[in-house]
Amino acid sequence: DAGVIQSPRHEVTEMGQEVTLRCKPISGHDYLFWYRQTMMRGLELLIYFNNNVPIDDSGMPEDRFSAKMPNASFSTLKIQPSEPRDSAVYFCASSFGAASYGYTFGSGTRLTVV
Amino acid sequence: AQSVTQLGSHVSVSEGALVLLRCNYSSSVPPYLFWYVQYPNQGLQLLLKYTTGATLVKGINGFEAEFKKSETSFHLTKPSAHMSDAAEYFCAVSHSGGYNKLIFGAGTRLAVHP
Repeated sequence: DAGVIQSPRHEVTEMGQEVTLRCKPISGHDYLFWYRQTMMRGLELLIYFNNNVPIDDSGMPEDRFSAKMPNASFSTLKIQPSEPRDSAVYFCASSFGAASYGYTFGSGTRLTVV
Repeated sequence: AQSVTQLGSHVSVSEGALVLLRCNYSSSVPPYLFWYVQYPNQGLQLLLKYTTGATLVKGINGFEAEFKKSETSFHLTKPSAHMSDAAEYFCAVSHSGGYNKLIFGAGTRLAVHP
């Protein structure tokens, strides 16, 4: 298995632009998670899905952030409009069943908003 | 609410020395506990986990951790550090609102010196 695949690996954009991050979970996994990692705040859970349905989006910082999972093999995290404080590494992770199995993380997307 | 505290944001050891990374948690229900490792510019990788059963759990790369309910701790150890162990280590606990939501500690950066 290729693991959790995220694209792009790096993204540099100007303030005010729309940014879309993409994630392909491991086939057969029914949970998908989006995390954000910064030096100041560490790892923050933004949102997670179960069977393509958003379960908990309480970590989404603002209405500028939105996430979708149109099918079991694809999810997007969109920021519109982007701001410099959104600069971070965004991780996607997937798991099968309960958390006791652990998560598999992607390599992350490093976002820089200038 | 559940939380994780990792004591020491930076730990430095000599090659061959004991590695001890500390993690304490709070949980209102029996927790699932995890240790993840993050190498530079990579995603998080599961080292080991405790769900039920034996309180001493062994993971990859010679690491192990012991669940101590009375101390609400889940410290990570390795008898002899190797240069390749230099990385950031995260302790995580499952969330009381659902076992599929992991809450991560702030991380401990391990440096290994020759």
